[in-house]
Amino acid sequence: NAGVTQTPKFQVLKTGQSMTLQCAQDMNHEYMSWYRQDPGMGLRLIHYSVGAGITDQGEVPNGYNVSRSTTEDFPLRLLSAAPSQTSVYFCASSYSRTSQKLFFGSGTQLSVL
Amino acid sequence: GQQLNQSPQSMFIQEGEDVSMNCTSSSIFNTWLWYKQDPGEGPVLLIALYKAGELTSNGRLTAQFGITRKDSFLNISASIPSDVGIYFCAGQLVGTYKYIFGTGTRLKVLA
Repeated sequence: NAGVTQTPKFQVLKTGQSMTLQCAQDMNHEYMSWYRQDPGMGLRLIHYSVGAGITDQGEVPNGYNVSRSTTEDFPLRLLSAAPSQTSVYFCASSYSRTSQKLFFGSGTQLSVL
Repeated sequence: GQQLNQSPQSMFIQEGEDVSMNCTSSSIFNTWLWYKQDPGEGPVLLIALYKAGELTSNGRLTAQFGITRKDSFLNISASIPSDVGIYFCAGQLVGTYKYIFGTGTRLKVLA
């Protein structure tokens, strides 16, 4: 099983550039979410989705957009990258809304210069 | 926003020693999860807890869901070098789908 797949693994952007971080899961999970991980701050929730067509904001949503057109995919878009968005980004999914086991991808390390 | 206080921040221990770490919050949770993260990798789920007072083991790891539903503990017995890594707790807030995470405990094992 592939589980939660994130691409790319590494990315360098210039300030103002846009890009999309991809996340796909093959476990038919309803719940998908994006976190960013910064040193000393743990994992902070950016956006989440409880099913296709349904998204909501997490703790740090500013500067990021998401959409959920299919159950499998949950891309994260940076419309105009800023140095403050330099971080490691993780996608995570759960089998169902009421299931509490959250499974993570391997992460995308993003640097914004 | 809600925060999870995780302690200790880091630990240096001798191989064979037992380890304890905990997470506390002012918020109430309906689930606690414990993860381990190796460098360059995503967090890997170790133990899930669903009920107040629940005690669950996974090999040398034991975790407990606090009675108040505001805290959780993870113990590692007889540590070995491969236990090195960062351990995170995560709690799912009651009435939401959101998980919040602790800031992690960095564990280093001296052979």
